[in-house]
Amino acid sequence: GAGVSQSPSNKVTEKGKDVELRCDPISGHTALYWYRQSLGQGLEFLIYFQGNSAPDKSGLPSDRFSAERTGGSVSTLTIQRTQQEDSAVYLCASSSPSVTDTQYFGPGTRLTVL
Amino acid sequence: AQKVTQAQTEISVVEKEDVTLDCVYETRDTTYYLFWYKQPPSGELVFLIRRNSFDEQNEISGRYSWNFQKSTSSFNFTITASQVVDSAVYFCALSEGNRGSTLGRLYFGRGTQLTVWP
Repeated sequence: GAGVSQSPSNKVTEKGKDVELRCDPISGHTALYWYRQSLGQGLEFLIYFQGNSAPDKSGLPSDRFSAERTGGSVSTLTIQRTQQEDSAVYLCASSSPSVTDTQYFGPGTRLTVL
Repeated sequence: AQKVTQAQTEISVVEKEDVTLDCVYETRDTTYYLFWYKQPPSGELVFLIRRNSFDEQNEISGRYSWNFQKSTSSFNFTITASQVVDSAVYFCALSEGNRGSTLGRLYFGRGTQLTVWP
């Protein structure tokens, strides 16, 4: 079956612009996660959604970052007024109904802020 | 404090050598889950294995084996008879099962870059 998909695969933007990153989880997976991978910080958790529960936003680095998940499926991560330190690979993962189940990752979106 | 430590930043071996990647974790939860992921040059994180804290049995899958020891808080990964295709960054990760707000979140180590030379 189809895995987690993310778009775009690459995004180059200018400092100060807003960007939207999209994630399509595996069908039937109710838990969805966003992580960020950068050279300096490694892989770090950003936010997760589980069913209809309020999302855990505790990993978002600033209020410029937000995410939503529509209809319990597709998720969009939005970064407003991008800064150069936002440059990283943004990874999305999903897992089956129990949140402790294995997370399967998408190919990521490489964001470059000039 | 780091919840997952992978002390080996880079390892180089020659094909057919055995190699062990170390992972040490830290948690106060009695229920937790440990994972290994592989990240080849293409960049996608590939799931390799998941173990829960109640199952210390070691596991073997082909050339891969995992040694889980709660006494030393370690979950080491061994590749037997390594191949060039094993070259990748390998990440060890922890998920805690008791804490409500962090339930399911993966804490990753910094990764070990494995290079296998022909």
